[in-house]
Amino acid sequence: AQSVTQPDIHITVSEGASLELRCNYSYGATPYLFWYVQSPGQGLQLLLKYFSGDTLVQGIKGFEAEFKRSQSSFNLRKPSVHWSDAAEYFCAVVLNQAGTALIFGKGTTLSVSS
Amino acid sequence: GAVVSQHPSRVICKSGTSVKIECRSLDFQATTMFWYRQFPKQSLMLMATSNEGSKATYEQGVEKDKFLINHASLTLSTLTVTSAHPEDSSFYICSAIVGGGGADTQYFGPGTRLTVL
Repeated sequence: AQSVTQPDIHITVSEGASLELRCNYSYGATPYLFWYVQSPGQGLQLLLKYFSGDTLVQGIKGFEAEFKRSQSSFNLRKPSVHWSDAAEYFCAVVLNQAGTALIFGKGTTLSVSS
Repeated sequence: GAVVSQHPSRVICKSGTSVKIECRSLDFQATTMFWYRQFPKQSLMLMATSNEGSKATYEQGVEKDKFLINHASLTLSTLTVTSAHPEDSSFYICSAIVGGGGADTQYFGPGTRLTVL
């Protein structure tokens, strides 16, 4: 069965430091891959997505993610974290067919220390 | 990006009453919308897939008679929690698909916090 694993439940990063959030998926083919961010009590905002092509994807708010087929990974990175980045981050996948719902990882909570 | 709204953002109701949550795509038409449920500190769990003009498809374990979904137009889907109980208290989030042919992107509403007393 298709699944998404985010190994880190909670990460704390100093403001200005770099960030990497891990995401691994389990699926026979390459699914479509997404990263969403959720602030407390809010809905989800799309940070970036990968469908095909260049494996390094740029997103909003200075985030990027790299798809590595050999590792079945889609890790999210940011070179310099801001205090406003503190939130819950979800990796998600969807089968490459129309009308299919997202499958989410359990999420990683990011805390930013000053 | 596409905008999805939900109303209300918060609702408190008494046990046994019914609550309706609306999900609207504001600047696009959505043939497919999804309803998710999120418990505190947990991920989103898909409840059902809502297709315009047809019956919703519910995930295993979701009671279709308790969580009524209506997708009457291309811009509106509603979720009605019938005879709500405290265990139905949760954060309900809808999403709508933009695109097609497999390269779908889901845009999410801001969510509705339901508290059943």
